[in-house]
Amino acid sequence: DSGVTQTPKHLITATGQRVTLRCSPRSGDLSVYWYQQSLDQGLQFLIQYYNGEERAKGNILERFSAQQFPDLHSELNLSSLELGDSALYFCASSVGSGTGLLVVPTGELFFGEGSRLTVL
Amino acid sequence: GNSVTQMEGPVTLSEEAFLTINCTYTATGYPSLFWYVQYPGEGLQLLLKATKADDKGSNKGFEATYRKETTSFHLEKGSVQVSDSAVYFCALRTTKKDSGYSTLTFGKGTMLLVSP
Repeated sequence: DSGVTQTPKHLITATGQRVTLRCSPRSGDLSVYWYQQSLDQGLQFLIQYYNGEERAKGNILERFSAQQFPDLHSELNLSSLELGDSALYFCASSVGSGTGLLVVPTGELFFGEGSRLTVL
Repeated sequence: GNSVTQMEGPVTLSEEAFLTINCTYTATGYPSLFWYVQYPGEGLQLLLKATKADDKGSNKGFEATYRKETTSFHLEKGSVQVSDSAVYFCALRTTKKDSGYSTLTFGKGTMLLVSP
C-alpha cells in the first residue's frame, strides 16, 4: 500500500460527458502528480501541483483541468470526453518539489492504484 | 528535451534465466535515474535508483549501473522468478537550478513475463 488513494477505481461513461477523478496523497506529501497511461502512448505526465499551486504542465489537453485543495487532495477534471481519453489515470505524490528551503527533490513518487476510465 | 528509450517487450523468460532490460536516455545536465515496477493491477513503485555517474542501484536482486558515457541504465537480474512478471519503467529526473523544480520523465515500459 503506497498510501496514495484514488477514486473511483473504475469509471464508464459516454462521449461528451465530464468526469472527476480524485486523489488523496500520502500523509505529509505536498506534491501531487497526474499521469495518463495508455497502451499506445505509455505513461504521459499531465500536471503537477505543489501545496495548492500548479508547478508544471505536461501533455495535458485543454479539456482537462486539475486543482489541489487546501487539505492537499487533488482532483482531475476531464470534460467533453472522447473515445481516445479511455486510459488509466494515475495520481502520485512526493515529499518535495518546491522552491528554496522547502525543496526535497527525492525523486521518488508514490503511486496510487489508478482510475480506469472507459469512454463508450 | 528529456527522453527515455526502453527496449520493447514483452520479454519472455523461463524461471532462473538472466534478465536484461535496456534503457538509454537523453537529458541536459546530470539527471538521476530510476527503475519503477508495475505489478498487475497496481500502481508503479520504485525499484531502484542512481543519482550520479557510475552509481549502482540495487534492490530485490535487481541491479542497474548509471553509465554516463553510454547514457544508459540497463536493468539486470541474475535469476528471475515468476513473481517478477510485471512492467518495468525506466525514468529520469532533472532539476532546474533556478527554481529547484524537478520533472520525472518515464520510458514506455517493458513487460516481463516469466514462466515456471
